[in-house]
Amino acid sequence: EAGVTQFPSHSVIEKGQTVTLRCDPISGHDNLYWYRRVMGKEIKFLLHFVKESKQDESGMPNNRFLAERTGGTYSTLKVQPAELEDSGVYFCASSLRAVTSSEKLFFGSGTQLSVL
Amino acid sequence: GDSVTQMEGPVTLSEEAFLTINCTYTATGYPSLFWYVQYPGEGLQLLLKATKADDKGSNKGFEATYRKETTSFHLEKGSVQVSDSAVYFCALYSGGYQKVTFGIGTKLQVIP
Repeated sequence: EAGVTQFPSHSVIEKGQTVTLRCDPISGHDNLYWYRRVMGKEIKFLLHFVKESKQDESGMPNNRFLAERTGGTYSTLKVQPAELEDSGVYFCASSLRAVTSSEKLFFGSGTQLSVL
Repeated sequence: GDSVTQMEGPVTLSEEAFLTINCTYTATGYPSLFWYVQYPGEGLQLLLKATKADDKGSNKGFEATYRKETTSFHLEKGSVQVSDSAVYFCALYSGGYQKVTFGIGTKLQVIP
C-alpha cells in the first residue's frame, strides 16, 4: 500500500513568488492534515480536511496560505506571495478516521520550502 | 493551551549507550501521549504511545512511561544502535475534537 506522498520534496523560491505544495494521502483516508515545522521550533498544525471540506483551519498563519482538496483526494497548499518566514518543512498526514488516542496519523516525508 | 517541551538536542551517543530524551507536557484533562520518529528522508511514524497514567508504551526497544504526577513522558532505550539515528518528537492528544500537539523534536545521532 502506498503511503502519504508529498511533492516536491524541496522547493527554493524568492520572496514574493508563489509556490504550490501537493499531498496525496493514503487511498481511502478521508482525513488529511497539514502541519509545518519552522527550523528550531515545534511542528505546528495548519489545517484539517474531512474529504473535501475544511474541518479546522485555525492554524493557517494568514491569508497568503490557501489549501484545497477538490474531490476529496489529493490536497494542495499554495503560498502566495511567499515571505521569508514561510520557510520550513511542510508535512502532510492522513488518517482513516479523525484523530483520537487510538487513531494513527500517517505522515508524508515533507516538503522543505526555502524562501530567499 | 496544550504544549509539549522536549530537549532540543542534538544528542550524540556511542553505539550501545543508554538513551534518555526528556519530554514534559501541559494539557487540559488527561491527554494521550506519543513518541514519533522521523528517519532521514522519511515521514514521521508513530513509535509508541500511552493513553493513561502509569501506562508504559514500548516498541523496538524504546520505552516511555506516562507520569501524571510529573507531567512527563521520557523516552528511553537501554542500548542504542546506529540505525536509531533520527529525529524524535514527543506529542500529545487531549481528546475530543483536538489536534495533535508536537514538541520541537530531538535529533539523535549514534556513532559506531
